[in-house]
Amino acid sequence: AQSVTQLGSHVSVSEGALVLLRCNYSSSVPPYLFWYVQYPNQGLQLLLKYTSAATLVKGINGFEAEFKKSETSFHLTKPSAHMSDAAEYFCAVILTSGSARQLTFGSGTQLTVLP
Amino acid sequence: DAGITQSPRHKVTETGTPVTLRCHQTENHRYMYWYRQDPGHGLRLIHYSYGVKDTDKGEVSDGYSVSRSKTEDFLLTLESATSSQTSVYFCAISERKGLYEQYFGPGTRLTVT
Repeated sequence: AQSVTQLGSHVSVSEGALVLLRCNYSSSVPPYLFWYVQYPNQGLQLLLKYTSAATLVKGINGFEAEFKKSETSFHLTKPSAHMSDAAEYFCAVILTSGSARQLTFGSGTQLTVLP
Repeated sequence: DAGITQSPRHKVTETGTPVTLRCHQTENHRYMYWYRQDPGHGLRLIHYSYGVKDTDKGEVSDGYSVSRSKTEDFLLTLESATSSQTSVYFCAISERKGLYEQYFGPGTRLTVT
């Protein structure tokens, strides 16, 4: 079964520092991968998606993620954190084979940005 | 933002009472989904719909039923609410199934006492 693991349920960075949120997936077939962001008391907003084109994907708000098949990873990065980046981030995967084609989410990483 | 609304946004109910949550979309997307969000679990799929009157179960469907009589509305019903169903419920839509991104509503916070 497909699964998504987000390492670190809480990550804290200083404003201006690099943001790195880790996501690993388990799949024997090529996946489609997504990062979503959730601000307090709001729904999820799509940050970026990987759909087997370029392995480096750029998203909104200066975030990007790199698909590394050899490491089964899709880590989210941003060069310089801003206070407004404080939110919860979810990695999600859909397999490209099989009939289910359901979106499976990781358990989320809460990002805190310190002044 | 995708045109998705959920109602009510907050609800407190007692154990054993029926509860219906509504999701309404203005995007005319074919696929609609209900998820629940609980700490440490991310989002888990309850049910989804692939057209009017066409629905299927997700990962955590026990205790929930759904209905879709119009393209724009997808209802989630808890026939007899239990405390384990206290959660935040999100509706999502997508234009096509599977390999396409989903867009989420603002959520409904349900508390079962």
